Amino acid sequence: QQPVQSPQAVILREGEDAVINCSSSKALYSVHWYRQKHGEAPVFLMILLKGGEQKGHEKISASFNEKKQQSSLYLTASQLSYSGTYFCGTHTTDSWGKFQFGAGTQVVVTP
Amino acid sequence: DSGVTQTPKHLITATGQRVTLRCSPRSGDLSVYWYQQSLDQGLQFLIQYYNGEERAKGNILERFSAQQFPDLHSELNLSSLELGDSALYFCASSVHPSGANVLTFGAGSRLTVL
Repeated sequence: QQPVQSPQAVILREGEDAVINCSSSKALYSVHWYRQKHGEAPVFLMILLKGGEQKGHEKISASFNEKKQQSSLYLTASQLSYSGTYFCGTHTTDSWGKFQFGAGTQVVVTP
Repeated sequence: DSGVTQTPKHLITATGQRVTLRCSPRSGDLSVYWYQQSLDQGLQFLIQYYNGEERAKGNILERFSAQQFPDLHSELNLSSLELGDSALYFCASSVHPSGANVLTFGAGSRLTVL
């Protein structure tokens, strides 16, 4: 089952913050975050495994709440280069190999 | 260059036809995933192979089939094509499909069905 992402889209001014949420109805083994620029391939940002760890990539960080089967991606002090569509991808504990993505969150950062 | 090679990059064909998309995974990766992305839509999981064997299936139509060969390259076959099959088809590879391994995506094959 596909994870559910929210919001669908967000518009930011440079320097503003945003949070993108990803939730699953099934127990998660891992959550991955990818960013896709228009017409390009998705690019890996970070991976979070069971254990509730938090990771960071420049000013982009993420958390994983194993109990709630939720992950959040935090865009801090956004830059123009952060524009793109962000996808969370999940592996559930009962579906080995079935790596599904959410519908995506379109992020537009304006000057 | 991600190391995942997809061919062809662009393909235009007519309804009812059959096409084959090819993917060579990154060196050392044993697992291949196929995804379909329709215009401005999300990534729909189609199928996954590990070391030549099918390991997971998603919403793949019966008109579509895939395989992974001994040299680990994979092919996605699309037959009896319909207008709605027009999409960007991505292949991704990972070392192992355990969920702890990162997926590396190819540049995609854009299919247009007229």
